[in-house]
Amino acid sequence: GAGVSQSPSNKVTEKGKDVELRCDPISGHTALYWYRQRLGQGLEFLIYFQGNSAPDKSGLPSDRFSAERTGESVSTLTIQRTQQEDSAVYLCASSSDRGRGYTFGSGTRLTVV
Amino acid sequence: DAKTTQPPSMDCAEGRAANLPCNHSTISGNEYVYWYRQIHSQGPQYIIHGLKNNETNEMASLIITEDRKSSTLILPHATLRDTAVYYCIVRVVNTGNQFYFGTGTSLTVIP
Repeated sequence: GAGVSQSPSNKVTEKGKDVELRCDPISGHTALYWYRQRLGQGLEFLIYFQGNSAPDKSGLPSDRFSAERTGESVSTLTIQRTQQEDSAVYLCASSSDRGRGYTFGSGTRLTVV
Repeated sequence: DAKTTQPPSMDCAEGRAANLPCNHSTISGNEYVYWYRQIHSQGPQYIIHGLKNNETNEMASLIITEDRKSSTLILPHATLRDTAVYYCIVRVVNTGNQFYFGTGTSLTVIP
């Protein structure tokens, strides 16, 4: 597609439920990143995928968070047993040319009630 | 990656140039300076990046001091649509490292 697509755009879930967030990167982009942005705050790095290399998971806040990506395609971020502090906008970005930077999606706004 | 320091907020009159400063005094020789902006409720948008020479594109100009310890993003004729949070980031190119987004500068363009 023309840009990075994320779905759903909004998700309201009950505390304790699991959620899956999806990211469709720009075709051909080898690098994919997930960030989290709480209300009024900056972006927190979560995880990074580069081709078939092992992902950099150093930003995942707890073992309730996991992400997968097959090759250079879609990525899914899963949050298990959601907590209210997980409420945030989850942003995905992809890049083919690291020199130029990333293209971000519009994010998924997650609200845990 | 080196840290950056930006003023938390700035105002600019519509039609005037907006000059957004950034300090990166611990920048390494192989680190580039990147600028992104985030308009409310949207994902960050790439603006421009540079190593040591000044850069210009259709969106902005980037002025990097000779010692590379600071830079300025210039929006030559600010419009209301330029109201956003602007992030200055330094990063080594061609590494797997993520961009470290600080709190940025909240620019408000005033009619």
